Amino acid sequence: AQSVTQLGSHVSVSEGALVLLRCNYSSSVPPYLFWYVQYPNQGLQLLLKYTSAATLVKGINGFEAEFKKSETSFHLTKPSAHMSDAAEYFCAVSDEYGNKLVFGAGTILRVKS
Amino acid sequence: DTAVSQTPKYLVTQMGNDKSIKCEQNLGHDTMYWYKQDSKKFLKIMFSYNNKELIINETVPNRFSPKSPDKAHLNLHINSLELGDSAVYFCASSTPGTGGNYGYTFGSGTRLTVV
Repeated sequence: AQSVTQLGSHVSVSEGALVLLRCNYSSSVPPYLFWYVQYPNQGLQLLLKYTSAATLVKGINGFEAEFKKSETSFHLTKPSAHMSDAAEYFCAVSDEYGNKLVFGAGTILRVKS
Repeated sequence: DTAVSQTPKYLVTQMGNDKSIKCEQNLGHDTMYWYKQDSKKFLKIMFSYNNKELIINETVPNRFSPKSPDKAHLNLHINSLELGDSAVYFCASSTPGTGGNYGYTFGSGTRLTVV
């Protein structure tokens, strides 16, 4: 079975500071990993995905994530937070057949001015 | 232009009623899903269909019945609605999954409120 743990249900950063959202996964097969963002009362937007190519994945809006097999991690980072980054972020895992996504519990990112 | 569209966007109904949510995708994807996001924002898969065939049924009460008339549509019918069914329901679709070069696209969600 696959699972995802997101450390920290709430993260608060100042505008211009580094954003780090943590995600650890568990998978008995090579995982495919995703980060989604959800703005209030909206749907899910894909930020980036890891599908066994490069371990450092660049996504939209300046976000990137690094797949570290030894640490079973796929943390999301952004060098400089912007007010518009305030949202909830979900890490998810799937197998290579993509039959379903298993989501973490989500991390709410707050950006302070 | 909408890739995955759900209707209605909001649904308020009384306990005991039966309601349906519709989903359509124009991406040519073979697989469609229903996910439920509860009041704590936790997202969990309910059903998955591949080319009109049920693939995943994640211990969902049988009051919930998905129907896929063709691979571009996946509807969700709910009988005898209960207060606990209040949630946001997301439809999604994906490309075939081998080789890893696939992606999921989500609809904008249907917020169901049972009163």
